Amino acid sequence: GENVEQHPSTLSVQEGDSAVIKCTYSDSASNYFPWYKQELGKRPQLIIDIRSNVGEKKDQRIAVTLNKTAKHFSLHITETQPEDSAVYFCAASDGGSNYKLTFGKGTLLTVNP
Amino acid sequence: NAGVTQTPKFQVLKTGQSMTLQCAQDMNHNSMYWYRQDPGMGLRLIYYSASEGTTDKGEVPNGYNVSRLNKREFSLRLESAAPSQTSVYFCASSRTGENSPLHFGNGTRLTVT
Repeated sequence: GENVEQHPSTLSVQEGDSAVIKCTYSDSASNYFPWYKQELGKRPQLIIDIRSNVGEKKDQRIAVTLNKTAKHFSLHITETQPEDSAVYFCAASDGGSNYKLTFGKGTLLTVNP
Repeated sequence: NAGVTQTPKFQVLKTGQSMTLQCAQDMNHNSMYWYRQDPGMGLRLIYYSASEGTTDKGEVPNGYNVSRLNKREFSLRLESAAPSQTSVYFCASSRTGENSPLHFGNGTRLTVT
């Protein structure tokens, strides 16, 4: 099955700095890569996703890049704000017909004012 | 439009007791999922239902059973709870037939003593 590795497990930045979280996956057939944000005590919510026919996608201050050859994808947050503090999860589909997602173990991002 | 609704929000069980976690979605999604979340382990898939009438095991199915009651409802049952099942459980749903984002419920925090 799919295996997703996520780094770093914790990340602390100053407000206004950029943050980068990286993930690798094992199944070359995977073709869908979403990112979820989970605030403390809340449910995970989708913030951005990318499909394998696209190398980069941007939505305001967040962007995701995908390198299918190397089987890795990254989340970039620019001009970080305290409200960006949360746990971020990457995920990859299993490439089969059921589109099951396998999640990374998460990155705790802390943005210091 | 409530999205994905889970009940109960909190539950404490003694070892060996049984219980059923309920989940319902009003988005007309075909696929539904049960995940558990443990510290440092990310979200791990317990069972999923690609469509009404079908269920399949995920990554960590042992000790659990599921029922896809109809298109809206997908329940998770613990027949004989164990302390290792102490976790936060999330139900999610998505469209089928394409890579679609998951919509999560608010979670059930279960403690087994």
